[in-house]
Amino acid sequence: KAGVTQTPRYLIKTRGQQVTLSCSPISGHRSVSWYQQTPGQGLQFLFEYFSETQRNKGNFPGRFSGRQFSNSRSEMNVSTLELGDSALYLCASSLPTGTSGDYEQYFGPGTRLTVT
Amino acid sequence: LAKTTQPISMDSYEGQEVNITCSHNNIATNDYITWYQQFPSQGPRFIIQGYKTKVTNEVASLFIPADRKSSTLSLPRVSLSDTAVYYCLVGGPGSARQLTFGSGTQLTVLP
Repeated sequence: KAGVTQTPRYLIKTRGQQVTLSCSPISGHRSVSWYQQTPGQGLQFLFEYFSETQRNKGNFPGRFSGRQFSNSRSEMNVSTLELGDSALYLCASSLPTGTSGDYEQYFGPGTRLTVT
Repeated sequence: LAKTTQPISMDSYEGQEVNITCSHNNIATNDYITWYQQFPSQGPRFIIQGYKTKVTNEVASLFIPADRKSSTLSLPRVSLSDTAVYYCLVGGPGSARQLTFGSGTQLTVLP
């Protein structure tokens, strides 16, 4: 079974631009979550989508948004990029069972975003 | 979500058993304990999960005492490739999809 894929793997943008990152979950997984990882803040939860609906949201400004399509693929968008948005953006998918199994999330390789 | 405390770093030698302990004094009745492993520039990888007593799989064991206020991840006979950051997470099904990662433990395996 193919793992979680993320595109692109690397991206360089300038301040003020916007960016869209894509995530394809494992086949059959309907929950997709996004995380930001930086050396200073560690791994931080951005948001989670299930059946095209955002169900959980972390403490990030409105410049960070996402969506999920009917095939469970997800995109996240960051508008008006700031230098501090440089990070590894990780996507994870899971089978939301409503039980402890929700903690078994499968992460993609991430998109390394550099804002200059 | 229960707060967790882990050592910042640990060193070990190849072939040794490594035990990483995580404290979670405020663990709730419905909370599970889950461990992830992360290599540089890669996403975290699920290792093991447990609720109480002992859980073992092909890569690790998880020991949870009766009061559940701590847990210990045990890696048998580590190799250089086990050098990674290990995260302990605690939470229940309702919050499970919003994984909260602490600082983790940087394990360095030396030859």
